[in-house]
Amino acid sequence: DQQVKQNSPSLSVQEGRISILNCDYTNSMFDYFLWYKKYPAEGPTFLISISSIKDKNEDGRFTVFLNKSAKHLSLHIVPSQPGDSAVYFCAASAGGGSQGNLIFGKGTKLSVKP
Amino acid sequence: DAGVTQSPTHLIKTRGQQVTLRCSPKSGHDTVSWYQQALGQGPQFIFQYYEEEERQRGNFPDRFSGHQFPNYSSELNVNALLLGDSALYLCASSLSRDEQYFGPGTRLTVT
Repeated sequence: DQQVKQNSPSLSVQEGRISILNCDYTNSMFDYFLWYKKYPAEGPTFLISISSIKDKNEDGRFTVFLNKSAKHLSLHIVPSQPGDSAVYFCAASAGGGSQGNLIFGKGTKLSVKP
Repeated sequence: DAGVTQSPTHLIKTRGQQVTLRCSPKSGHDTVSWYQQALGQGPQFIFQYYEEEERQRGNFPDRFSGHQFPNYSSELNVNALLLGDSALYLCASSLSRDEQYFGPGTRLTVT
């Protein structure tokens, strides 16, 4: 049973517009959430994270929102750029705010068109 | 800073054989985690090593074993390879339980 779900395998967005990537989880013990970006032939690169004590974290063009009651988080990229085209993975941890065993979703492939 | 390095890049093995994958962590990191990423899936946690001991383990059979050396580098060993073991194997390093940095992975093909 998948504990972290990314239900959209792909997303296509026009350059300059907002990209919204969604993630749902089932395990209420998860208390730390992360987004990773992955280019082909490279390992995942950490993008942004959020602790369960917050509902929003912002870093430049990237913002992550957490809705604990709905067990849902989303990543907003504004404005989207062609270089953002990659596979984005949502991950969760029940490590008390630190990272041990990361549980990943299947990923969403984002394509940003010029 | 070299970041996390893994070797080899690609590997082809036959069913039943054994394989060893290697990982050198990012400078200053003391913890190494291994993940398996099958095609079209997200990475799945295999185990994590800290202070040369296995600290956590995911849902993988005993055919998967590992080791961490005093210099914090690590090996992943898989015995009695199955076709289903074909995947990208990712190593991630961190300073204890902080943010994990991933290497480029080793692509293992079992025929």
